[in-house]
Amino acid sequence: AQTVTQSQPEMSVQEAETVTLSCTYDTSESDYYLFWYKQPPSRQMILVIRQEAYKQQNATENRFSVNFQKAAKSFSLKISDSQLGDAAMYFCAYRSRLGGAGSYQLTFGKGTKLSVIP
Amino acid sequence: EADIYQTPRYLVIGTGKKITLECSQTMGHDKMYWYQQDPGMELHLIHYSYGVNSTEKGDLSSESTVSRIRTEHFPLTLESARPSHTSQYLCASQPDLQGNTEAFFGQGTRLTVV
Repeated sequence: AQTVTQSQPEMSVQEAETVTLSCTYDTSESDYYLFWYKQPPSRQMILVIRQEAYKQQNATENRFSVNFQKAAKSFSLKISDSQLGDAAMYFCAYRSRLGGAGSYQLTFGKGTKLSVIP
Repeated sequence: EADIYQTPRYLVIGTGKKITLECSQTMGHDKMYWYQQDPGMELHLIHYSYGVNSTEKGDLSSESTVSRIRTEHFPLTLESARPSHTSQYLCASQPDLQGNTEAFFGQGTRLTVV
């Protein structure tokens, strides 16, 4: 079974600065997807960024980028120019690319609570 | 925001009551999921469905049941609520079996059983 570990329960960053959230995972599969989801207080969980394991290039979405190290099974999220609206819980998630029953579910880490200091 | 809705947002109910948490999506997605999330903790899958009349249990054992009579609707029912059921319940849907598709989440139902 796959596991996802986020070792930082809480992080804080000064507004306009850069912060990196860590995520490691364990899997025996070679092809899969990785995601970072953001869950603001009392609001819907939304996708921040996704990475396909077979792509070597790190994904980027505006101020958000990842550092995907497949051999190390590491998938960190970097937020540049942090804004007050970035304050939220961030969840790292894994999804298998294989077929078969139950394989499309997301496996989540425990989350990292990010605070942005004005 | 995604077109997936959960009602109620908050529910406080007494022990032994029967409750149904509603989840609807207007995106025509075949795949739907229920996750349970305790405060400050990760999400655990409790139920999923690949389409109408398809329901399966997830990794986390749950006393709840689900049904999928219509594509857009995936309600979760607790026949007799207990304090141990107190948690947040998140519904999600996904458009495609294959491919790099994201899951869309509802706003969640925060359930408190007293």
